[in-house]
Amino acid sequence: GAVVSQHPSRVICKSGTSVKIECRSLDFQATTMFWYRQFPKKSLMLMATSNEGSKATYEQGVEKDKFLINHASLTLSTLTVTSAHPEDSSFYICSARPGEGSPLHFGNGTRLTVT
Amino acid sequence: GEDVEQSLFLSVREGDSSVINCTYTDSSSTYLYWYKQEPGAGLQLLTYIFSNMDMKQDQRLTVLLNKKDKHLSLRIADTQTGDSAIYFCAEKYNFNKFYFGSGTKLNVKP
Repeated sequence: GAVVSQHPSRVICKSGTSVKIECRSLDFQATTMFWYRQFPKKSLMLMATSNEGSKATYEQGVEKDKFLINHASLTLSTLTVTSAHPEDSSFYICSARPGEGSPLHFGNGTRLTVT
Repeated sequence: GEDVEQSLFLSVREGDSSVINCTYTDSSSTYLYWYKQEPGAGLQLLTYIFSNMDMKQDQRLTVLLNKKDKHLSLRIADTQTGDSAIYFCAEKYNFNKFYFGSGTKLNVKP
């Protein structure tokens, strides 16, 4: 149980274009989902907390106009990287949990490369 | 609650035990977790422990928690080459805040 699916697993795009990443909870509902970014050989950096039916909460230093988050249903959150630049190239991972007392379950991540 | 520290590397021989250590700073942490990340993949939950527990064992995995010293460890018995990965400890210290250590890369030599 508690499976989180993330798509695509890998994407290459040109500078200036936008990329959408989807995160789905397959067997549970999630009012909250979390988006992380992982730099090479580094830990996970929390970017934002996605809240179903309301605005996302962004961590300090994360541009909300650059990283658009939409959590339109209890099983789907999307992260759109707008006007992507090479420095946005990274590994993005989403996570969710079935309830407050549950651990986080992670998607398999999306490797974004901006050329 | 943001300082979760781990050593960066650990190398063991197949069949030996591995012990991965983690320290954290927030004494109000409620849960502490161990995750495994294989190359190019997301994080897989291995085990977790509630802060009022001292030890939890699950097959080859043993988690020890020293709350006084804010020290968490993960012991993997009979380590196999398939255990080679990066291991992250994480703490949950309030409703929606989880902090992760920098990860320990475990290398298992045949």
